[in-house]
Amino acid sequence: GAVVSQHPSRVICKSGTSVKIECRSLDFQATTMFWYRQFPKQSLMLMATSNEGSKATYEQGVEKDKFLINHASLTLSTLTVTSAHPEDSSFYICSAPRGRGLYEKLFFGSGTQLSVL
Amino acid sequence: AQTVTQSQPEMSVQEAETVTLSCTYDTSENNYYLFWYKQPPSRQMILVIRQEAYKQQNATENRFSVNFQKAAKSFSLKISDSQLGDTAMYFCAFTMYSGGGADGLTFGKGTHLIIQP
Repeated sequence: GAVVSQHPSRVICKSGTSVKIECRSLDFQATTMFWYRQFPKQSLMLMATSNEGSKATYEQGVEKDKFLINHASLTLSTLTVTSAHPEDSSFYICSAPRGRGLYEKLFFGSGTQLSVL
Repeated sequence: AQTVTQSQPEMSVQEAETVTLSCTYDTSENNYYLFWYKQPPSRQMILVIRQEAYKQQNATENRFSVNFQKAAKSFSLKISDSQLGDTAMYFCAFTMYSGGGADGLTFGKGTHLIIQP
């Protein structure tokens, strides 16, 4: 069945390095992908929305040069955290709707725990 | 901007009891969706229930039901016959209906529900 596969599930990196997180839609085409960030014991905050073939839309306060989003195909969206620092350590989750506006078919990835040393 | 407020950071009930989680939201829009999501320790987001604002009838899913009061902008979740597996974080979420495509979700801060044996 349709799912969103997110990798890696956990990554530890040194400060200053870049980390790429992938989200793939399986058995459906994800024209839109949402990226969220969740700090410990806090809620999910929408970071950006990516649409296949166009530039991502970032929420206020999210640095687009630090969080690079690419949605080059209908089944793959990536989030790259550039020059990561300890304050970027967080849980990152992607989500994609199947179909336009069909919120009963909204799939979440399993999340990526990023730890920056 | 839309806001979602969950005023109960933590709740604890005995197994088999009924529990109600509260959620209020603020929006000037007329067409929108409301959700309750469950996030267990695995952190996988699981849809519990979904309500379209244009529907007056309250949504139900087995042991889960909502009390949707549009005028009061209230959307509470009732869990009947609570089970140990219901222990999790519960997030109330909101999104506008956009005929042009999907919008990201705005989440409340969450309620940590603990079911005691």
